[in-house]
Amino acid sequence: DAGVIQSPRHEVTEMGQEVTLRCKPISGHDYLFWYRQTMMRGLELLIYFNNNVPIDDSGMPEDRFSAKMPNASFSTLKIQPSEPRDSAVYFCASSLLRHGYTFGSGTRLTVV
Amino acid sequence: DAKTTQPPSMDCAEGRAANLPCNHSTISGNEYVYWYRQIHSQGPQYIIHGLKNNETNEMASLIITEDRKSSTLILPHATLRDTAVYYCIVRVRSNFGNEKLTFGTGTRLTIIP
Repeated sequence: DAGVIQSPRHEVTEMGQEVTLRCKPISGHDYLFWYRQTMMRGLELLIYFNNNVPIDDSGMPEDRFSAKMPNASFSTLKIQPSEPRDSAVYFCASSLLRHGYTFGSGTRLTVV
Repeated sequence: DAKTTQPPSMDCAEGRAANLPCNHSTISGNEYVYWYRQIHSQGPQYIIHGLKNNETNEMASLIITEDRKSSTLILPHATLRDTAVYYCIVRVRSNFGNEKLTFGTGTRLTIIP
């Protein structure tokens, strides 16, 4: 089992550019979560999916952020346009109902 | 979900048992206690969870007081690799979703050689 796979590991982009983060959950897991971590705000839940359907997106900061899960093996988090305050580590996690989460290694995003 | 209180930091000597406390005095009867840890630059890692009975696995033991208002995570023989931020989280486990975990600030545990 390769675990939760995120790409890219690092992303540096200029302000105003579109950024797409990718996540492949563990096969068979029915929940997928996107978190963001900064020094100031800690770990924040942005959105989560159950069986590919978005359940709670109340943590998505604004309309510049969007997330999709077109199938059970892939999800994207898109920021358009990106801003310097979006700089953070973005984590994807997956789980089975009532089990512990498995997190990916994260994507470190820097917007300059 | 109930709020938790953890000390911001702790030290423990290598080879000793590390005991990390968590206060959750407003916990409800259907809320579980979860522990995760985050080693620098990595994603959080699930450790253990419990409802009211003590639990043990290959990583740690979880001791929950009888009134369930507090718990202690025990790492029996701490190693340098256990240096991390440890998060105590309390939440309801439903059958119908609402699976989200809300992370607090955790305890930064430093294992001293």
